[in-house]
Amino acid sequence: ETGVTQTPRHLVMGMTNKKSLKCEQHLGHNAMYWYKQSAKKPLELMFVYNFKEQTENNSVPSRFSPECPNSSHLFLHLHTLQPEDSALYLCAATRGNMNTEAFFGQGTRLTVV
Amino acid sequence: GESVGLHLPTLSVQEGDNSIINCAYSNSASDYFIWYKQESGKGPQFIIDIRSNMDKRQGQRVTVLLNKTVKHLSLQIAATQPGDSAVYFCAEIPNTGGFKTIFGAGTRLFVKA
Repeated sequence: ETGVTQTPRHLVMGMTNKKSLKCEQHLGHNAMYWYKQSAKKPLELMFVYNFKEQTENNSVPSRFSPECPNSSHLFLHLHTLQPEDSALYLCAATRGNMNTEAFFGQGTRLTVV
Repeated sequence: GESVGLHLPTLSVQEGDNSIINCAYSNSASDYFIWYKQESGKGPQFIIDIRSNMDKRQGQRVTVLLNKTVKHLSLQIAATQPGDSAVYFCAEIPNTGGFKTIFGAGTRLFVKA
């Protein structure tokens, strides 16, 4: 148990659907992240929130929309996705902008059909 | 540009043998490095870290070596066990501040019984 919980674990959605991924952290950390993990590629940073404020948007298409209502919760809203968006989406938390390790959730395996 | 990469995409070792996983990085200004382990169906988990003012750090059955001269990082696992089978990532945190961790693509370790 890493202290970071993601739901759902698996999601299949059509290209016209709207869905949301949820992440909750119980660590009291103030920075939360969304990463995309595709096969044989390094983890791709998507978004970073620090104290609920977005600090990074790594040129992510607008069909991905993050939301951070508080320091413990992070959402990723999805709409009109493409098949190439199929991947494992990982949420992580860190103690802010410090040289410490990231705590990852188990990820949401997303398949776009 | 900045990059963190792994020399070998897969590594197969006999149970009980030692494993060595290598990583190259290009940003000489980075001052913090982490190794993560990702088991099937899980998110990455912290194994061990090292700061740039050190060249070796030991944990339980794991050792990380840092060679700043050639920008090389390695993870050594002693007496490898079946439970060590996973994908291992090196990660580099630049000293420029911000929240960007640069991850390598990963090496898959297979442990043969």
